[in-house]
Amino acid sequence: AQTVTQSQPEMSVQEAETVTLSCTYDTSENNYYLFWYKQPPSRQMILVIRQEAYKQQNATENRFSVNFQKAAKSFSLKISDSQLGDTAMYFCAFMNRATGTASKLTFGTGTRLQVTL
Amino acid sequence: DAGITQSPRHKVTETGTPVTLRCHQTENHRYMYWYRQDPGHGLRLIHYSYGVKDTDKGEVSDGYSVSRSKTEDFLLTLESATSSQTSVYFCAISGADQGVIEQYFGPGTRLTVT
Repeated sequence: AQTVTQSQPEMSVQEAETVTLSCTYDTSENNYYLFWYKQPPSRQMILVIRQEAYKQQNATENRFSVNFQKAAKSFSLKISDSQLGDTAMYFCAFMNRATGTASKLTFGTGTRLQVTL
Repeated sequence: DAGITQSPRHKVTETGTPVTLRCHQTENHRYMYWYRQDPGHGLRLIHYSYGVKDTDKGEVSDGYSVSRSKTEDFLLTLESATSSQTSVYFCAISGADQGVIEQYFGPGTRLTVT
């Protein structure tokens, strides 16, 4: 079974600064996906970014980028130029790569990020 | 945003009563999932469906049942609600057979069992 660990329950960053959220995972699989989801106070789960394990290039989406270290089983999220709207709970999630089937997500416990003025 | 709705959005019920939560999608995706979210646990999979009338258990399925009679609807039933089932419930969909690997989530249902 896979496990996902987020060791930072809470973090704080000032507006316009950069922050990195950590995530490690444990799996015996070789092909998989990793995701970061954002949950603002509205409670809606919003997909932030996705990484395929077979791709060496780190994924980026505007101000969000990841540092994927497959050998170390590490998947951190970097938020650049932080904005007040980035205040949310952030979840790291793992999915086995099994196209065409119901692929289940395993979530970490989340990191609560507060962006301050 | 993916077309996913959940009803009701909030519910308070008493211990021992049956409760049914509904998830409705307009994306025609094959796969649907029910998760629960609790402090300190993230989201955990309850049940999932890989087609009409095809369902399977997740990691926390005890006390829950599901049904899917149409592609667009996935129902989660608590046969006899207990206080330990107080939680926020999320439905998610994916179209992995269409190359849509990501799961997209509904707005959630907050259930309180008193």
